[in-house]
Amino acid sequence: DGGITQSPKYLFRKEGQNVTLSCEQNLNHDAMYWYRQDPGQGLRLIYYSQIVNDFQKGDIAEGYSVSREKKESFPLTVTSAQKNPTAFYLCASSPRTSDDTQYFGPGTRLTVL
Amino acid sequence: SQELEQSPQSLIVQEGKNLTINCTSSKTLYGLYWYKQKYGEGLIFLMMLQKGGEEKSHEKITAKLDEKKQQSSLHITASQPSHAGIYLCGADGDSNYQLIWGAGTKLIIKP
Repeated sequence: DGGITQSPKYLFRKEGQNVTLSCEQNLNHDAMYWYRQDPGQGLRLIYYSQIVNDFQKGDIAEGYSVSREKKESFPLTVTSAQKNPTAFYLCASSPRTSDDTQYFGPGTRLTVL
Repeated sequence: SQELEQSPQSLIVQEGKNLTINCTSSKTLYGLYWYKQKYGEGLIFLMMLQKGGEEKSHEKITAKLDEKKQQSSLHITASQPSHAGIYLCGADGDSNYQLIWGAGTKLIIKP
């Protein structure tokens, strides 16, 4: 089964701790993305990567970091510098061909206590 | 910068009735994507439209892109409980590889 997996589904952390969200895809897609979703708002892009070992900041990168060491994996670290980290985080990937539809994972809900 | 406005924000429909959701852009749309999301889950891709006047259907859901390519509509015929969820539109933005997103339309189906 091809798809995108995110883990964990729910994550609780104390304020001031860094936390890493996992995103893995076996679709052989070149591009991967991290979004943040808050109630009543559209998706906001945190980081994206078009190719291994390269990534760019999105609209709300402050307080977040990523790495892209493997094509299949694009982990997101939410650092203590992120002032309001409680949100639903979505990972997506796309093939970067003429049909560049983004496909999404199931999401991780992060709650900072 | 480009913005996408979805209307209505929320919609309650009796099961079996038809409904329409709109997505309006401040600029010409070069690629418009419709997704569905169940609460607390990821987005499921529905359809993608590119050409003015284009129309696509999947089961009882039809999406259209107007001739001027600034508005798209999503129409559901004979709604069912399985259609409930949040519908989001996304569009190719000014920057490469980034999509602009609408805020979503929450659809509730009354039995």
